[in-house]
Amino acid sequence: NAGVTQTPKFRVLKTGQSMTLLCAQDMNHEYMYWYRQDPGMGLRLIHYSVGEGTTAKGEVPDGYNVSRLKKQNFLLGLESAAPSQTSVYFCASSTGLAVQYFGPGTRLTVT
Amino acid sequence: TQLLEQSPQFLSIQEGENLTVYCNSSSVFSSLQWYRQEPGEGPVLLVTVVTGGEVKKLKRLTFQFGDARKDSSLHITAAQPGDTGLYLCAGSWGATNKLIFGTGTLLAVQP
Repeated sequence: NAGVTQTPKFRVLKTGQSMTLLCAQDMNHEYMYWYRQDPGMGLRLIHYSVGEGTTAKGEVPDGYNVSRLKKQNFLLGLESAAPSQTSVYFCASSTGLAVQYFGPGTRLTVT
Repeated sequence: TQLLEQSPQFLSIQEGENLTVYCNSSSVFSSLQWYRQEPGEGPVLLVTVVTGGEVKKLKRLTFQFGDARKDSSLHITAAQPGDTGLYLCAGSWGATNKLIFGTGTLLAVQP
């Protein structure tokens, strides 16, 4: 039981490049979330999903897209990376009882 | 926009000292959680409080939810170096399963 896993762990992009972050969970959770964490700002919700095939915007969705084609996977895409998207990205999943289980994070640098 | 403010932002203490971290909001939450995050890892849940005035203890950690369910505190007795980390409060409200995170308190316990 691996819990929540994220790939890659680190990535450096040039401005304008695109990439996809993958989140996978093996706990059969309905809900999945993508956050970004910046110094002094805690965790901010980017997008979330309440079940397979569904997605919704969070607090800071601009510049990101997501897909949930399979229940266990939640993908976060950056179509044209900007330096402001340099951050640590966390994926989480939950059963719907608000308690969330987090992955280890992806550290992204955009130059 | 609901906000959760934590204080202090940084705290450096000696082993054996006591400390309290505060989490405040102008909004009412249906539940409030405390997470601890270590460097290079995702947040891990410590406790969930759901009833106004509720007090929960986890070994040397005491968590309290305010009577009006707008604030919470975390008290650590006789801090140890292993308590070092980033402490995050997070509130949920209504029927959503989304969390709003506080800004975090970075605790360093010196041996």
